[in-house]
Parts: sequence; structure tokens; C-alpha cells
Amino acid sequence: KAGVTQTPRYLIKTRGQQVTLSCSPISGHRSVSWYQQTPGQGLQFLFEYFSETQRNKGNFPGRFSGRQFSNSRSEMNVSTLELGDSALYLCASSSQGAYGYTFGSGTRLTVV
Amino acid sequence: SQELEQSPQSLIVQEGKNLTINCTSSKTLYGLYWYKQKYGEGLIFLMMLQKGGEEKSHEKITAKLDEKKQQSSLHITASQPSHAGIYLCGADPSGTYKYIFGTGTRLKVLA
Repeated sequence: KAGVTQTPRYLIKTRGQQVTLSCSPISGHRSVSWYQQTPGQGLQFLFEYFSETQRNKGNFPGRFSGRQFSNSRSEMNVSTLELGDSALYLCASSSQGAYGYTFGSGTRLTVV
Repeated sequence: SQELEQSPQSLIVQEGKNLTINCTSSKTLYGLYWYKQKYGEGLIFLMMLQKGGEEKSHEKITAKLDEKKQQSSLHITASQPSHAGIYLCGADPSGTYKYIFGTGTRLKVLA
């Protein structure tokens, strides 16, 4: 079966712009989580959605937002981009949020 | 807040050698996950451990969770270049789907 698909794979944006990243989970998975990975901070939790509801969120500013659609696909949005937002953004899906997530290949965002 | 500390941060071994990566938690773990990541790619799920003293193996990789459930180790036997990558331990400390991850161990295997 198809894995977790993230689009786009690479993105270059200018400071102050906004960006939307997309994640299509494994068919049947209703839990989708987002993570930011940087060399300095490692892998940090952004938020988790289950059946279109955000169940938890990490310690990120309000510029970071997300949503989940009825088909479980999820998007995350970052507004007013800063240089420090440059990172690998990973999406992961699970049937219920437990027993291990399956990760996508990530979107590499570079802010210049 | 709970943290996961991994050691060593990086490891270079000769092909065929055994190695161990450790993951230590500041609090009791109620489930510990091991993942492998190739540089710039997503994480690949390796194993999940839930019970104190539990041990699981897959091919040449064995993971253990200690009885107190505060430390886990990942052992690779007869390492191969294909084992190279970043190994991360992860956990959901509060059961609220807010996963935390260790800082990772970068493994390089010399052929």
C-alpha cells in the first residue's frame, strides 16, 4: 500500500512569505502528526490531528498552524516566514496515534 | 518535562563489528520507539517496546527496555554499510500523542 506522501519535497521561500505543506497519510490512518527537524533542536513535535480535530500541539508560535480534512489529508501552514523556520518538516500517520507512526520523506523548507 | 538522551551522539565502526546505542529517559517510559533515518529522509519504524524487560529483534538489530523502563538499548550485530544512518528513540510520555524524540545517534559503518 502507498506510504505517507508529502508535497512538495523541496521549497525555497523568502522571509515574510507564507507556505503550505501537504501530507497524505496511509489509507485508513486517521492520526496525522507534524514535526520540525533542525540540526540544532532535533525533532520537535508541532501538532497532531485525529479525525479533523487537533488533539495536541507543541511549543511553536501561532505562525504555525495546521488542519486535517475529512479524508485525513493534512496541511500545515507557516505564515511570515523567518530564517529560523528553515528545516525538514516531517509528517507521520498512524491508525490511532499509537503503536508507531509511519513517516513521510519530508519537505525541506529553506527560507532566504 | 520528560527528555530522551541518546548516547553516543555519533559512532564510526568497521563493517562486521557489533555496536550499542543507548536511550535514557528522565522519567518512566510507557512505550519506547526506535526509528532509523537516512540523511534528509523520513524516519523508518524499527521497533516498539512497552514492557519492562522486553526485548525484540529484527534481523541483526535487537532492542531492549530495562525493568525500570527508563533506559533502552539498540544493539546491532555484525554491522553492515546498510545500517548506516541516524537512529532515534521516541516516546509519548503523557499518552497524549505528543511524541518526543532523542537527539539521535549518527552511525557510520566503514566497508
